[in-house]
Amino acid sequence: DAGVTQSPTHLIKTRGQQVTLRCSPISGHKSVSWYQQVLGQGPQFIFQYYEKEERGRGNFPDRFSARQFPNYSSELNVNALLLGDSALYLCASSSQGTRETQYFGPGTRLLVL
Amino acid sequence: SQQGEEDPQALSIQEGENATMNCSYKTSINNLQWYRQNSGRGLVHLILIRSNEREKHSGRLRVTLDTSKKSSSLLITASRAADTASYFCATDAGGAQKLVFGQGTRLTINP
Repeated sequence: DAGVTQSPTHLIKTRGQQVTLRCSPISGHKSVSWYQQVLGQGPQFIFQYYEKEERGRGNFPDRFSARQFPNYSSELNVNALLLGDSALYLCASSSQGTRETQYFGPGTRLLVL
Repeated sequence: SQQGEEDPQALSIQEGENATMNCSYKTSINNLQWYRQNSGRGLVHLILIRSNEREKHSGRLRVTLDTSKKSSSLLITASRAADTASYFCATDAGGAQKLVFGQGTRLTINP
């Protein structure tokens, strides 16, 4: 079975631009979470969606938004990019949420210049 | 803010030796998970241990959990060069719909 997939793998943007990252969960998984990992640190939680509804939001500004589609895939949008948004963005899927194993995708590496 | 703290931050051992990493957390949990990350790539799940479990094994991995001390340890026995990676613990922070990660331990296995 295919694992969690994310696109694109790498992305370079300039300050002030907007970016959309995409995630496809493992087939049958209804929960998708997004994490930001800055170099040298552990991942930080951004959003969790389950059955297309937002179930959790981390301490990130309103420039960050996300949504989940009927096929359970998800998009993370970041507006008005700042240099500090440069990071590895990770998507994780599971059947129901954090009470079980989270399966992570390979991530999208975003560089903001 | 980070919930968990791994100790040590970096560990370098010889191939064949055992590696032990520790994790401490602050709030009550339903479960604690350990993940491995190679060179800034995606996280690979290793073990999930629930709050009512004290020890769990998977191949060369052994995880212990002490909820009274809010701590966990990951033991990798008979280490191999391929075990070189960063290891993270993550908790569900008392049932919140998120995983809270520590800073990680960078493990280097020297041939």
